[in-house]
Amino acid sequence: GEDVEQSLFLSVREGDSSVINCTYTDSSSTYLYWYKQEPGAGLQLLTYIFSNMDMKQDQRLTVLLNKKDKHLSLRIADTQTGDSAIYFCAESMGGGFKTIFGAGTRLFVKA
Amino acid sequence: SQTIHQWPATLVQPVGSPLSLECTVEGTSNPNLYWYRQAAGRGLQLLFYSVGIGQISSEVPQNLSASRPQDRQFILSSKKLLLSDSGFYLCAWSVLLGYGTGPGDYGYTFGSGTRLTVV
Repeated sequence: GEDVEQSLFLSVREGDSSVINCTYTDSSSTYLYWYKQEPGAGLQLLTYIFSNMDMKQDQRLTVLLNKKDKHLSLRIADTQTGDSAIYFCAESMGGGFKTIFGAGTRLFVKA
Repeated sequence: SQTIHQWPATLVQPVGSPLSLECTVEGTSNPNLYWYRQAAGRGLQLLFYSVGIGQISSEVPQNLSASRPQDRQFILSSKKLLLSDSGFYLCAWSVLLGYGTGPGDYGYTFGSGTRLTVV
């Protein structure tokens, strides 16, 4: 069945780069997303990548997609304390209805 | 601007009591609306989605139900809560991301969530 897996915790020092990894099982996934959830809040769409792309960069965020290995990563450059949150990987074939979310990776940023 | 409101933020209810969570959106018309549940340490589970007034699709059989009495209002209900209904409930609507490659270019905008504890 469809599944999205990601590690539950990541701890980095302020100023370092963070890399959050995700694997998915549905090879027909067309869209892959990263969402950010701050404490007590809903999820915020950070970025997304279409499956025919290998990389997408948006300011401090870099998304890498290895479609062969079904592996997605989110790199945050110059990580700040404000980046501390839970990051969710998600995949979808499109249409918005069947979006599968991972359990989320909690990022701790140490000053 | 487009916003989504969800309330209450927290709720503690006894087992067997009814539930009503409300979600409203502003700044858009005819949105696709969703109810998700987030259990501790797990991903988001899609409970219901709606493409229009009175149109509800259920993804998971359970003692919850949803209704959409108005275009921008989505309600999650239960007649009798179970302990297993505890969790963080999120309302969302899907927005066209504008990537432009096809009809499925949607991302979600989520409400701030309701933390439900059934005791």
